[in-house]
Amino acid sequence: QKEVEQNSGPLSVPEGAIASLNCTYSDRGSQSFFWYRQYSGKSPELIMFIYSNGDKEDGRFTAQLNKASQYVSLLIRDSQPSDSATYLCAVNNNYGQNFVFGPGTRLSVLP
Amino acid sequence: GAGVSQSPSNKVTEKGKDVELRCDPISGHVSLFWYQQALGQGPEFLTYFQNEAQLEKSRLLSDRFSAERPKGSFSTLEIQRTEQGDSAMYLCASSLTALGLGELFFGEGSRLTVL
Repeated sequence: QKEVEQNSGPLSVPEGAIASLNCTYSDRGSQSFFWYRQYSGKSPELIMFIYSNGDKEDGRFTAQLNKASQYVSLLIRDSQPSDSATYLCAVNNNYGQNFVFGPGTRLSVLP
Repeated sequence: GAGVSQSPSNKVTEKGKDVELRCDPISGHVSLFWYQQALGQGPEFLTYFQNEAQLEKSRLLSDRFSAERPKGSFSTLEIQRTEQGDSAMYLCASSLTALGLGELFFGEGSRLTVL
């Protein structure tokens, strides 16, 4: 079992719809959770981080964390074609010195 | 610029040759990470530095790979006797805090092609 799992996609949604991206992790000691966006041929850039159970909203993005279920998700409201990218979930357990990334989910927003 | 800088951006080499990749993190950043990213995959952790100390190294990392951060600033990743399977994007990232508690800032990567 990989430490961080994501559906590879592609996930296709129409413009204006809500895109829902999911991530599960295996290490119960994980404390910090991050969503990165990576455009083709570019390096990852941070979208959001979340540390506590529940929801965290930032503009069109909402991160949701459920530590009991070892599950973190990212919702993108009013999806735009410019949101088309690979979304990487990353997990850090704060005592291990590394961020573990999932394989990424490729999102395609259709105009 | 003030971001993470990596060089070279592209490197083509022949199987069996050694290569060295360089990363200049954001000034003052304590944590520095190296990742390997194959096409269509997520970044795979290679190693982590806190200042000049290499605190963690992936168990999957071949002995052909070595990294240094001699003065706690720039870092180099050396790959000896390269193999075709080493072809990938090598990403460097830095973080202001120790233990990688903060945001990771990535460089644009060094794309390595081993013929």
